[in-house]
Amino acid sequence: ETGVTQTPRHLVMGMTNKKSLKCEQHLGHNAMYWYKQSAKKPLELMFVYSLEERVENNSVPSRFSPECPNSSHLFLHLHTLQPEDSALYLCASSQEWQGTGELFFGEGSRLTVL
Amino acid sequence: RKEVEQDPGPFNVPEGATVAFNCTYSNSASQSFFWYRQDCRKEPKLLMSVYSSGNEDGRFTAQLNRASQYISLLIRDSKLSDSATYLCVVNSGAGSYQLTFGKGTKLSVIP
Repeated sequence: ETGVTQTPRHLVMGMTNKKSLKCEQHLGHNAMYWYKQSAKKPLELMFVYSLEERVENNSVPSRFSPECPNSSHLFLHLHTLQPEDSALYLCASSQEWQGTGELFFGEGSRLTVL
Repeated sequence: RKEVEQDPGPFNVPEGATVAFNCTYSNSASQSFFWYRQDCRKEPKLLMSVYSSGNEDGRFTAQLNRASQYISLLIRDSKLSDSATYLCVVNSGAGSYQLTFGKGTKLSVIP
């Protein structure tokens, strides 16, 4: 049973839709992440929140908008996406500054943009 | 040069075989190293950290060569349940958010 839960698990949306992905971690961690995983590409870091402050953006297009209302919840708001944005979006959490490098991932939200 | 490079495979090996995966990284300032495992249509999970002196966890052995910027994972006595994609991960800083992932090496263990 994962300590990081993501909803929805699957999402199909048109290019003009607005939707949100939700992530919740039950591990008491102080950092949360959004990663994108596309076929035949390595995991790409999109956003990092540490102690609820955004510390990394990685030049993600503005059609992706993160929100971290508290240390347990993370959202990814989506609007006017492109078909190339279809991918698996993974949320993760960690206890920062321990240096263990261990991320705990959710099962992902598989997004298809038509 | 890619930051973390792995042979994508797939590696198809019979049960009981020994298989080795290699990984190279480009950032010589990288501080810590890991192998993650990702099962088909599941999330990545930490398999083991990689230490300079080499470390072993059961059938799995990880090695690091800082001079060559090279990491390896050896799996002995392969089991069907070892079938997965193995991700090489490098941390260039003190925080977890500086992790860089390789594309992964796919392993299929065949009965």
